[in-house]
Amino acid sequence: DAGVTQSPTHLIKTRGQQVTLRCSPKSGHDTVSWYQQALGQGPQFIFQYYEEEERQRGNFPDRFSGHQFPNYSSELNVNALLLGDSALYLCASSRRRGTGNTEAFFGQGTRLTVV
Amino acid sequence: EDQVTQSPEALRLQEGESSSLNCSYTVSGLRGLFWYRQDPGKGPEFLFTLYSAGEEKEKERLKATLTKKESFLHITAPKPEDSATYLCAVFNKFYFGSGTKLNVKP
Repeated sequence: DAGVTQSPTHLIKTRGQQVTLRCSPKSGHDTVSWYQQALGQGPQFIFQYYEEEERQRGNFPDRFSGHQFPNYSSELNVNALLLGDSALYLCASSRRRGTGNTEAFFGQGTRLTVV
Repeated sequence: EDQVTQSPEALRLQEGESSSLNCSYTVSGLRGLFWYRQDPGKGPEFLFTLYSAGEEKEKERLKATLTKKESFLHITAPKPEDSATYLCAVFNKFYFGSGTKLNVKP
């Protein structure tokens, strides 16, 4: 059973460019959450997708957007990249239960470097 | 405002020296708390979920406990391979603490 997979693993972009990161959730999971993790910090919640809609959002600007597909996979898009967007981007999948979620399982992350 | 605070930020132990990591939270209507382990450059690895005060869970040398205001991760007789950053997160909105970086020396 494949766990959460993310692609690409590493990415270098130039300031002002746009980037798309991809995530395939663990089998049986229907909810995908995205996080940004700066070096030495805990993951910061960006947003969560369920049933192809953004359900919750953290304190991130509109430059960060996402999408969820019918097969539950998800994309994170970041426009007008800033140097400060350099971080490890983590995708976590979980299964919706009531008004919350089961425990989340994480992918290995995409290391984004903006130069 | 919902908050999750972990302490200490860093902890250095000798192999076999037991200790505890703390995660305190201020979240209204907590519906559960997660513990994760994270190795450098990798995604967090799920360890435990705790749902109610008084609950305890164990896995090898790790034991997690939960009260109404905080959770503890107890590490008994740690080994060098237990070195990692340990993160806690609340169930409601996946707020993470900043983690405790554990270094176990042989």
